[in-house]
Amino acid sequence: GQSLEQPSEVTAVEGAIVQINCTYQTSGFYGLSWYQQHDGGAPTFLSYNALDGLEETGRFSSFLSRSDSYGYLLLQELQMKDSASYFCAGDRNGTYKYIFGTGTRLKVLA
Amino acid sequence: GAVVSQHPSWVICKSGTSVKIECRSLDFQATTMFWYRQFPKQSLMLMATSNEGSKATYEQGVEKDKFLINHASLTLSTLTVTSAHPEDSSFYICSAGAFEGDYEQYFGPGTRLTVT
Repeated sequence: GQSLEQPSEVTAVEGAIVQINCTYQTSGFYGLSWYQQHDGGAPTFLSYNALDGLEETGRFSSFLSRSDSYGYLLLQELQMKDSASYFCAGDRNGTYKYIFGTGTRLKVLA
Repeated sequence: GAVVSQHPSWVICKSGTSVKIECRSLDFQATTMFWYRQFPKQSLMLMATSNEGSKATYEQGVEKDKFLINHASLTLSTLTVTSAHPEDSSFYICSAGAFEGDYEQYFGPGTRLTVT
């Protein structure tokens, strides 16, 4: 089957760095995306890794290792507004159909 | 960035009735749209892929006769929940993409359906 596992909850303080892991058990994912979702809102795109390695976009970075079936999202200089749920999503065989991870709820404390 | 709208943003209906949800791409043409369902504090579950001018492709376990999808134009897809029941109460989200090398999906704001 296809599944992407994430820690259910992560807590960190303002200004800190936090890493949210995503491990998957499937083959055929073309790439790995990350989305942020605030309560009651729609998911918003953060990053996409088509290749192994690190992608950096401002305070957010994302990493993918296909050989390890593993990726992570790194958030730096945490702000209160970063409190949200974060989802990794695998693109199934390049079909643009995304399978979403279990989701991680990030709480940023003052 | 590209904008996707949904209407209505929330709806309450009685058990046994049908509800239609619209998903529009406002500033780009979307050959493919996706419909997701999300229960509280859970992840997004892909329900179906909507292709303009052809039948939708449903994920395993999703009843195609209950969740009718129509993609009549490059900017509009509709999801109709037929004979709704309380267990259909959920957050329904659509997404769209122009794709062609761009893997980003643009999500609508979602529709919260409550069936009483």
